[in-house]
Amino acid sequence: ETGVTQTPRHLVMGMTNKKSLKCEQHLGHNAMYWYKQSAKKPLELMFVYNFKEQTENNSVPSRFSPECPNSSHLFLHLHTLQPEDSALYLCASRAEYNSGDTQYFGPGTRLTVL
Amino acid sequence: GENVEQHPSTLSVQEGDSAVIKCTYSDSASNYFPWYKQELGKGPQLIIDIRSNVGEKKDQRIAVTLNKTAKHFSLHITETQPEDSAVYFCAAKDSNYQLIWGAGTKLIIKP
Repeated sequence: ETGVTQTPRHLVMGMTNKKSLKCEQHLGHNAMYWYKQSAKKPLELMFVYNFKEQTENNSVPSRFSPECPNSSHLFLHLHTLQPEDSALYLCASRAEYNSGDTQYFGPGTRLTVL
Repeated sequence: GENVEQHPSTLSVQEGDSAVIKCTYSDSASNYFPWYKQELGKGPQLIIDIRSNVGEKKDQRIAVTLNKTAKHFSLHITETQPEDSAVYFCAAKDSNYQLIWGAGTKLIIKP
């Protein structure tokens, strides 16, 4: 195991639902990431948090709302999603924002929007 | 900004043969190039990386080469085994310390 856990592993939701994805890292890292992974496409960086502060928001629609209450936990709140938002959502952590290059990934949440 | 192209998208090799996956990048200022392996049902995991001050790095059966002039780097896997079957991603670190990823290569090892 990588030390990064994600729940739930699978999620099916309707376009009017509200749900949240959770990520927890047990590595003592200070930077956490949300990525979207779609088939045969590069990983898309969504959000970056460093010491609980958001440092990157790569033009992600407002229907995705991140929350980082502390350096070990990261949430992605979802509401009024579209079918094209169906993908694997990966959480990752890194020791420091601008050093310690290795990112450690969780297993992902497979999201299906009906 | 940085752009990373990865080829091929799918690679099928006979067990025991070698596999090579290639990536090109656009930003000459990039200085860190990792390779990640993603197995089914898991997140990507770092397998090897290289920095711009070296041209080659090896770790047992895997090696990475970097050509800064041509702005491309490659992953080499020798004596492939069934457990090498996975999706492999290359990446380059941009000036904002973020990784820009290739689209992935699905490696299939035929018995």
